[in-house]
Amino acid sequence: AQSVTQLGSHVSVSEGALVLLRCNYSSSVPPYLFWYVQYPNQGLQLLLKYTSAATLVKGINGFEAEFKKSETSFHLTKPSAHMSDAAEYFCAVRGGNQAGTALIFGKGTTLSVSS
Amino acid sequence: NAGVMQNPRHLVRRRGQEARLRCSPMKGHSHVYWYRQLPEEGLKFMVYLQKENIIDESGMPKERFSAEFPKEGPSILRIQQVVRGDSAAYFCASSPSAAPGEKLFFGSGTQLSVL
Repeated sequence: AQSVTQLGSHVSVSEGALVLLRCNYSSSVPPYLFWYVQYPNQGLQLLLKYTSAATLVKGINGFEAEFKKSETSFHLTKPSAHMSDAAEYFCAVRGGNQAGTALIFGKGTTLSVSS
Repeated sequence: NAGVMQNPRHLVRRRGQEARLRCSPMKGHSHVYWYRQLPEEGLKFMVYLQKENIIDESGMPKERFSAEFPKEGPSILRIQQVVRGDSAAYFCASSPSAAPGEKLFFGSGTQLSVL
């Protein structure tokens, strides 16, 4: 079975500061990992995904994440926050050898950006 | 190519009534997933369907909830005899295949309010 834990339900940063959103996963098989973003009153959009190729994954809007097997982590980072980054961010996991299974999401982290 | 379409966006029901939520996947997508979102709880997987088949319903409550994805027409999530605890945002997602690295495309959700 797979699960993800997002540490910190709320993260606040200043505009221009580093963004770090934490995600740890648990998986009995090699995982596929995803980060999605949700803006108010909208559905989720994919930011980036890890599918066992490069461990450092670059996504849209300047975000990137690094897969660390030894730490079972897939933290999301962005060097410099913009006001438009304020949203809710979800980490998700799926078993890498399990076609036909659902994506399992964490509880989400709300990112606030102040000027 | 239109995205995942969910309707209605907002649905108000009184306790004991039935709620029907519709989801039209993206063109060419035969895999549909339903999730429920409550504040501070993230997205909870409910059910995964492929045309005319339920693949995984492990997240569906055993009573009052059902889902279908007929050969023709949208996927339907049906909640009978709604109770206040069913109030939530319900999201549908679709994908073109069951590959574990496949991206899910999300609709904008249906906000169900039970009075």
